[in-house]
Amino acid sequence: KAGVTQTPRYLIKTRGQQVTLSCSPISGHRSVSWYQQTPGQGLQFLFEYFSETQRNKGNFPGRFSGRQFSNSRSEMNVSTLELGDSALYLCASSSGLTDGTIQYFGAGTRLSVL
Amino acid sequence: GNSVTQMEGPVTLSEEAFLTINCTYTATGYPSLFWYVQYPGEGLQLLLKATKADDKGSNKGFEATYRKETTSFHLEKGSVQVSDSAVYFCALSDRGSGGSNYKLTFGKGTLLTVNP
Repeated sequence: KAGVTQTPRYLIKTRGQQVTLSCSPISGHRSVSWYQQTPGQGLQFLFEYFSETQRNKGNFPGRFSGRQFSNSRSEMNVSTLELGDSALYLCASSSGLTDGTIQYFGAGTRLSVL
Repeated sequence: GNSVTQMEGPVTLSEEAFLTINCTYTATGYPSLFWYVQYPGEGLQLLLKATKADDKGSNKGFEATYRKETTSFHLEKGSVQVSDSAVYFCALSDRGSGGSNYKLTFGKGTLLTVNP
């Protein structure tokens, strides 16, 4: 069974640009969550989608947005990039149906904003 | 809100030494608790989990017990190996209004280095 796939693995952008990251969950999983990992703030929850609906959102500005498609694949978009957006962005998938459900993580997309 | 506090390290041990990484949490309700591990250049892998008080999660020689009275979930291993060198994250899951867990709150992570 294929794991969670994130593309691209690395991205370099300049301030003011926008970026789209992609995540393909494990087959059969309907929940996709996104996390930002930085040395200073650690791992922070961005948002979670389940069956194409955003179920929860973390404390990030509106420049961060996401969506989920009918095949459960998800994208996140960051507009008007800032230097502080440089981070590892991790996607996790789960069945999203019961408490204690395991979230499976992808290898992440490393975004560098210059 | 919910939070997780873990010793930040770094922790440096010799092979076959005993490992403890402390983790305490603050949460409303009864969260599920997890330990994840991150190897260099990779995403997070689930190491073990516990979903209710007094549950013990175990995997690959690692253990952690869900202690509700002390709100703790300390990670232990009796004899570490060089291959255990990684960053370890303690996490809890929030139960949303929908009734299912969908958000993990993480500690800052603990870097473990095991020397031969």
